[in-house]
Amino acid sequence: GENVEQHPSTLSVQEGDSAVIKCTYSDSASNYFPWYKQELGKGPQLIIDIRSNVGEKKDQRIAVTLNKTAKHFSLHITETQPEDSAVYFCAASKPLDSNSGYALNFGKGTSLLVTP
Amino acid sequence: EADIYQTPRYLVIGTGKKITLECSQTMGHDKMYWYQQDPGMELHLIHYSYGVNSTEKGDLSSESTVSRIRTEHFPLTLESARPSHTSQYLCASSVSDRGNSPLHFGNGTRLTVT
Repeated sequence: GENVEQHPSTLSVQEGDSAVIKCTYSDSASNYFPWYKQELGKGPQLIIDIRSNVGEKKDQRIAVTLNKTAKHFSLHITETQPEDSAVYFCAASKPLDSNSGYALNFGKGTSLLVTP
Repeated sequence: EADIYQTPRYLVIGTGKKITLECSQTMGHDKMYWYQQDPGMELHLIHYSYGVNSTEKGDLSSESTVSRIRTEHFPLTLESARPSHTSQYLCASSVSDRGNSPLHFGNGTRLTVT
């Protein structure tokens, strides 16, 4: 299937610094790009998403950028806090067969550690 | 938080046992999915459903089967569990559209087959 590559796999920052996670995708049909945060013992939770007709979106300390030409998108977390520590996944939509369905292809995850 | 529930949260069973992992959602979503999450955290789609009586296989080959008799319920069954089935299984749902809405995940079932 089509791949989503995510970097880095681990990221350690000091509290108050910014964190950036980058992803690339290969399926030109992808038009929806969510980001998920997964805490220990829980399922992934949506934190922000962006659609292909938008280049940037911001929600408080979190922002996502999308470059459709280059097929890459990034997550930016500013003023990081210890509670931001978790595994973050990027994803790109992918069509499923001919029934207009879709699923998400996920990156391999970034383990973010924010130290006080 | 999304209203999607998975039971049990943890399951330890012996080889050869038949098991069913339960998944229910109260959001009225037509689309439901099962992802398998390996120890390296990567998520792989193993089954999906467009609605009642619809089931399809995902990208990752799986010996499990699913059923969709009711909109809110999407159970996953392993007829004969093996150690290679040890993993975390995540259920998700979404509204029906052309790919512009998020998946809502349950908290998963962590399965260990001894």
